[in-house]
Amino acid sequence: AQSVAQPEDQVNVAEGNPLTVKCTYSVSGNPYLFWYVQYPNRGLQFLLKYITGDNLVKGSYGFEAEFNKSQTSFHLKKPSALVSDSALYFCAVGAFGNEKLTFGTGTRLTIIP
Amino acid sequence: NAGVTQTPKFRILKIGQSMTLQCTQDMNHNYMYWYRQDPGMGLKLIYYSVGAGITDKGEVPNGYNVSRSTTEDFPLRLELAAPSQTSVYFCASSYSLGGSGNTIYFGEGSWLTVV
Repeated sequence: AQSVAQPEDQVNVAEGNPLTVKCTYSVSGNPYLFWYVQYPNRGLQFLLKYITGDNLVKGSYGFEAEFNKSQTSFHLKKPSALVSDSALYFCAVGAFGNEKLTFGTGTRLTIIP
Repeated sequence: NAGVTQTPKFRILKIGQSMTLQCTQDMNHNYMYWYRQDPGMGLKLIYYSVGAGITDKGEVPNGYNVSRSTTEDFPLRLELAAPSQTSVYFCASSYSLGGSGNTIYFGEGSWLTVV
């Protein structure tokens, strides 16, 4: 069975500081990893994904994530946080042949002006 | 671009009532999904479909039914609504297997309250 953990329910970061939202996963075989963002009263929006290749993946709105196979992690990062980055962030994992994507419980990111 | 469209956005149901959440996508995606989102619980898969006429259960199918008569539409039926079905429901679609690296696109959500 595959699973994903987002160990922090809430992350607070001052505007302009770098941010990290953590994600670890468990899956049989090579993982496919995703980050989605949800703004209040909206659906989930795709940010970025790792399928294969370069461990550093760049996505929308200046976000990037680093795949670390030995630590089974896929942390989301941004060098300089904006107030508009405040939202709920979901990590998700799948694997080859899976119909289903497994989502984490989400991390609420708040950027403090 | 419309993408995935679901209606209604908000609905209040009385216990025991039934209703259908509508979902349509215009991206010609084969795969469609229904998720529910509860606070602190992430997203749970209710049902999914790999194509017209084919549906399968997800993690939490009890109390729900689906059908897929066309590629575009994937309605979710709630029979005999219960307070435990109070949640936010998301319809989603992908070109191919969502768990195999294909991006899943979500609708805006339907907020359902059962009283």
